[in-house]
Amino acid sequence: EVGMTQSPATLSVSPGERVTLSCRASQSISNNLAWYQQKTGQAPRLLIYDESSRATGVPDRFSGTGSGTEFTLTISSLQPEDFAVYFCQQYNNWPVTFGPGTKVDIK
Amino acid sequence: EVQLVQSGAEVKKPGESLKISCKASGYSFTNFWIAWVRQMPGEGLEWMGIIWPGDSNIRYSPYFQGQVTMSVDKSINVAYLHWNSLEASDSAMYYCARYLRTSGNSDAFGVWGQGTMVTVSS
Repeated sequence: EVGMTQSPATLSVSPGERVTLSCRASQSISNNLAWYQQKTGQAPRLLIYDESSRATGVPDRFSGTGSGTEFTLTISSLQPEDFAVYFCQQYNNWPVTFGPGTKVDIK
Repeated sequence: EVQLVQSGAEVKKPGESLKISCKASGYSFTNFWIAWVRQMPGEGLEWMGIIWPGDSNIRYSPYFQGQVTMSVDKSINVAYLHWNSLEASDSAMYYCARYLRTSGNSDAFGVWGQGTMVTVSS
C-alpha cells in the first residue's frame, strides 16, 4: 500500500496570501496524484488531477506541481471561499490512498 | 448535468443489514467506474473499492473485503453498498464517486455524491 502524508496538518492564513500545501508518497506514483477540497458538511470536490491538470471550473489560482513522490498544491491568492480541508490522493496503485488532509483556516 | 444522488441518512442497530444507494444521471452509467469512500467523523477519506457498472467487475480494498458488498442495477443506473450485519464502527459518512474519465483502471474521482450518513447504535 502506498502511504500518503501531508504537511502541515493545519495552516492559518489571511485572505490574499499565497498558500503552499505539501503531499508525499511512500513510493513513486508517477503523476497519478489528485487534490480535493472539502468544506464543512460537503462532499469533496476535485481540484487537480494528473498532478497538475485543473478540473473543470476550478479557478486558475489553484495549481499543482511535482512528480514521483513529492507534490505541491499552491493557491496563489487565498480567497474567503478557499478555507477548507485539502486532501491529496494517489491512484497509481490499488488500494487507492488519501493523505490525512491539511486544514486551511483563517488567521 | 452529471450527478450522483445518494439515499438518505440511516440509523440502524448493531447486527442489522443495510443497503444504501447512489443514483447516476447525465452520463452513460455503464462506461465509468464507481467508487465508494468512507469518512468517519472528523477523519480522512478511505477508499473502499470500485465497481464497473457494465459487467459488475469489482475491486475491493483489502480493508473492506468481506465487510461490505458492492452491486449495481444498470437498468436504473443505481449503485449500491450493502452490509449484512452492521457494527458500531461502521458509523460514518459514505460517498459514491465516479471516475473522471471512462478509460483505464485508475483515475481521480471527478463527480461525487452528496454522501449518506450511517449511524449504528444500540
